[in-house]
Amino acid sequence: EAQVTQNPRYLITVTGKKLTVTCSQNMNHEYMSWYRQDPGLGLRQIYYSMNVEVTDKGDVPEGYKVSRKEKRNFPLILESPSPNQTSLYFCASSLSTSGGTDTQYFGPGTRLTVL
Amino acid sequence: GENVEQHPSTLSVQEGDSAVIKCTYSDSASNYFPWYKQELGKGPQLIIDIRSNVGEKKDQRIAVTLNKTAKHFSLHITETQPEDSAVYFCTSGGSNYKLTFGKGTLLTVNP
Repeated sequence: EAQVTQNPRYLITVTGKKLTVTCSQNMNHEYMSWYRQDPGLGLRQIYYSMNVEVTDKGDVPEGYKVSRKEKRNFPLILESPSPNQTSLYFCASSLSTSGGTDTQYFGPGTRLTVL
Repeated sequence: GENVEQHPSTLSVQEGDSAVIKCTYSDSASNYFPWYKQELGKGPQLIIDIRSNVGEKKDQRIAVTLNKTAKHFSLHITETQPEDSAVYFCTSGGSNYKLTFGKGTLLTVNP
């Protein structure tokens, strides 16, 4: 089944404890992206990647890191999480490199709570 | 950067009625306008999209319209059903490697 998977689905952690949220897609998509969803704010893009080893900042990149060493994986790293990073996170992928002119397929989400 | 405004933020209709969600965008270079539906506990899923060379597109009970001059686009759902209840997002995209999302509309269809 073609899909985007994220792990973990739920995570409760404490301030300052490094964490990684994994994202994997099995559709051979070029473009991958991370979003956070907060009540009343919609989805805001954190980082995106047009291809392996090519990443760029979205609208809210502060406090996050990403890497794209393989086409299928795009992990999101929080090196020192803070309470304002408590949110619902979505990974997405699309076939073309542009991301902005193509259907994006979303994962099921990761609900992160930072105490 | 691009700004997408979406209204209303909540919409409640009776089953069988129509629902309309309206959005505006700011960047005249935007040329792709997909709509996503997010059901409770799930990720957003594309339901319909429209490109800037088209004024209207229809898929069964769902239609989208685009007015490039006014930078407006709208989603129309006819004969609403309880399974249409969800959060709907309008988005705009172009050549800048991203989609910009509206803040969402919570649609409730009452049986």
